[in-house]
Amino acid sequence: DAGVIQSPRHEVTEMGQEVTLRCKPISGHNSLFWYRQTMMRGLELLIYFNNNVPIDDSGMPEDRFSAKMPNASFSTLKIQPSEPRDSAVYFCASSLMSSGGPKEETQYFGPGTRLLVL
Amino acid sequence: KQEVTQIPAALSVPEGENLVLNCSFTDSAIYNLQWFRQDPGKGLTSLLLIQSSQREQTSGRLNASLDKSSGRSTLYIAASQPGDSATYLCAVTEYGNKLVFGAGTILRVKS
Repeated sequence: DAGVIQSPRHEVTEMGQEVTLRCKPISGHNSLFWYRQTMMRGLELLIYFNNNVPIDDSGMPEDRFSAKMPNASFSTLKIQPSEPRDSAVYFCASSLMSSGGPKEETQYFGPGTRLLVL
Repeated sequence: KQEVTQIPAALSVPEGENLVLNCSFTDSAIYNLQWFRQDPGKGLTSLLLIQSSQREQTSGRLNASLDKSSGRSTLYIAASQPGDSATYLCAVTEYGNKLVFGAGTILRVKS
């Protein structure tokens, strides 16, 4: 298995531009997570989907951030307009959540997208 | 709100030493606790997952313990090697499948 695939791996953009990050979860997984990692705040959960449905988006910083999962094999995280404080590494992770809940299922992380907003 | 704290923030040891990384969490209502490894510029790799009903898990030279009632976990690494150098992250899974991470311990094993 190729693992969780993220693109692009690096993105440099100017303030005000739209940024779209992409993720392909592991085949067969039914849960997908978007995280942001910064030196100041560490790793934070932004949003997660179960069976393509957003379950908890309480971590999304503000309306400039949006995430979609149109099908089981693809998700996007969009920032519009981008700001310098959005600079961070964005990780996507996926897992297989059984009917019993998350007790036993680990999350598998992609390599991340390093975003720099100038 | 769940808070996860890791001590120490950084650790440097000579090769061959046994070492312990510490993790504490404020809310014991968790599904499980996981230890991850992160190499520079890379994603996270799960090392060990301890269910809330378990006390410990072992994988090779790694042993993780969990004391849910006191909100503590330790990761024990035996006979450390330079290849163990990385950042180690502790995370608890809360209701709703949410992972809450600690800030990590940066480990350097010197050859």
